[in-house]
Amino acid sequence: GAVVSQHPSRVICKSGTSVKIECRSLDFQATTMFWYRQFPKQSLMLMATSNEGSKATYEQGVEKDKFLINHASLTLSTLTVTSAHPEDSSFYICSAPQGSWPGNTIYFGEGSWLTVV
Amino acid sequence: GIQVEQSPPDLILQEGANSTLRCNFSDSVNNLQWFHQNPWGQLINLFYIPSGTKQNGRLSATTVATERYSLLYISSSQTTDSGVYFCAVDPRSGGYQKVTFGTGTKLQVIP
Repeated sequence: GAVVSQHPSRVICKSGTSVKIECRSLDFQATTMFWYRQFPKQSLMLMATSNEGSKATYEQGVEKDKFLINHASLTLSTLTVTSAHPEDSSFYICSAPQGSWPGNTIYFGEGSWLTVV
Repeated sequence: GIQVEQSPPDLILQEGANSTLRCNFSDSVNNLQWFHQNPWGQLINLFYIPSGTKQNGRLSATTVATERYSLLYISSSQTTDSGVYFCAVDPRSGGYQKVTFGTGTKLQVIP
């Protein structure tokens, strides 16, 4: 079946550096992907919508300059956390819909744990 | 935007017990999913259930779209059922596929 893969699953970076997380749809094309963030013991919050070939759409309160999203191909979206700080430590997860909305299926990646030290 | 509330927020069960988790949403939805998030953070899709009832082994789910709620039933609970259960809805308004997650129910099954 359809699979969405994220990499890396865990990453530790130093404060002030940037880190990139990849989200791939393995056997289907996704013109749109979604990035979520989950703080400890909280629910998942939509950060942004990644659009293939155009700019991402960010949710209110999400810093677009800090969380750079690039959707360069129909199977790959990347989230780059720039100048990371400890407060950016979180669980990040992506999703990709397969098929035509509104009856399609949404697949989620495995998630990526980011720790900024 | 759409509000998705789950209850109870926390639940402790003795192994073998049954439970019902509830998800209330504030607006019409195209789809509703139930997920189990394991201790490693991985989201496991349990059901796609915009309406009606589905069963998969010890789990079953019912969504009453007209009354804007969904229920997840866990029977004969096992310790491996522990984790956080989320419902997530794809609202009919507010933008393409902006799936909104509920507040979650943290389940602990003790031996």
